[in-house]
Amino acid sequence: DIQMTQSPSSLSASVGDRVTITCRASQSISSYLNWYQQKPGKAPKLLIYAASSLQSGVPSRFSGSGSGTDFTLTISSLQPEDFATYYCQQSYSTTITFGQGTRLEIK
Amino acid sequence: EVQLVESGGGLVQPGGSLRLSCAASGFTFSSYEMNWVRQAPGKGLEWVSYISSSGSTIYYADSVKGRFTISRDNAKNSLYLQMNSLRAEDTAVYYCARQQDTGIAAAGQDYWGQGTLVTVSS
Repeated sequence: DIQMTQSPSSLSASVGDRVTITCRASQSISSYLNWYQQKPGKAPKLLIYAASSLQSGVPSRFSGSGSGTDFTLTISSLQPEDFATYYCQQSYSTTITFGQGTRLEIK
Repeated sequence: EVQLVESGGGLVQPGGSLRLSCAASGFTFSSYEMNWVRQAPGKGLEWVSYISSSGSTIYYADSVKGRFTISRDNAKNSLYLQMNSLRAEDTAVYYCARQQDTGIAAAGQDYWGQGTLVTVSS
């Protein structure tokens, strides 16, 4: 299976900060990389697909980049509703795998 | 409005079986690929299984292969997960999730149900 490693595992930031989360794949996955946001007790929400395409309805402060093995999710100016856990997911392989998650907390 | 509603979770003993269902509405179910994803308490997301729109193509995570069976009934707008030989490590919230259809292959899961909790314990 393709292993997905996110960094950092947790992050403290303030409203208005610019935040970047990194995801690394154990092998090249082209641009088959998706990002999700999950809040406690809720289902995940798709934010970015195909590495850099913004999902419909998602605020433009979210952006994604990368290809091959290294990817980033950037939130340009943190809002109170953005404090959540973020997961990357590779869909290159027929067996999908997620990163371990990055918990974004309020400083 | 797209809706996915899971049911069938509960408490089961190790070695037991359970069948999860996911009722879909608000879209043409037969046109969409579907997935099951699970999340153990306090842990991250784990993809479990995929089924194509016709049901002809199926994939499983290694952790459930040979024990779980995904299926669908397009006439009933329903997705299923038959879980046999359950283990304590299968304890999780199980979500059904629709595969997004954007023309881009593997573009993530755009709609998720609320999840159903499966607890495997004696």
